[in-house]
Amino acid sequence: AQSVTQPDIHITVSEGASLELRCNYSYGATPYLFWYVQSPGQGLQLLLKYFSGDTLVQGIKGFEAEFKRSQSSFNLRKPSVHWSDAAEYFCAVGARFGNEKLTFGTGTRLTIIP
Amino acid sequence: SQTIHQWPATLVQPVGSPLSLECTVEGTSNPNLYWYRQAAGRGLQLLFYSVGIGQISSEVPQNLSASRPQDRQFILSSKKLLLSDSGFYLCAWKKNLGAGGQGSQETQYFGPGTRLLVL
Repeated sequence: AQSVTQPDIHITVSEGASLELRCNYSYGATPYLFWYVQSPGQGLQLLLKYFSGDTLVQGIKGFEAEFKRSQSSFNLRKPSVHWSDAAEYFCAVGARFGNEKLTFGTGTRLTIIP
Repeated sequence: SQTIHQWPATLVQPVGSPLSLECTVEGTSNPNLYWYRQAAGRGLQLLFYSVGIGQISSEVPQNLSASRPQDRQFILSSKKLLLSDSGFYLCAWKKNLGAGGQGSQETQYFGPGTRLLVL
């Protein structure tokens, strides 16, 4: 079974600073990987996903993530954060075969300070 | 385009009362449907998923149940709510690629959620 770890519960960054949110997964093969964002009281919105090919994936809102097989990681990055990026971010992993489910991490809450 | 609806948006219920939360999807057919619960600081817990009418898979033992009476309707129910049932309930859908398809490749799309408070 797959699992996901987001080691940072809460991160605070200044507006305009760079951001990296960590995600580590456990799965016996190359998984499908997703990053979602959730604004307070809202549903989840897909930021980006990795299936195969180029390990650097571009998403919406200026986010990108890099799949590193050797480190079992899929960290989310943004070069310059905006106040509107304040939200909760979830990493998720899906099995490549025979499984219709996603497993989510516990999330990282991002706070932006002026 | 596809849309997903959940209602009610907010619900306050006494302990021991019944529950019915509804999720409907428009603009697609035969989707996979999912119910998640989100408790504070605990991420998303998959409760149920369905790959077709009348087909329900339960992920965790609990006093909740799910039903799929129509292709694009997914209902979460309880006969008697517990305090621990409080949380934010999210419904999601994704394309069903059928038997042999690499189903989890497809993106799950989430509804706006229902906040349930059991008192």
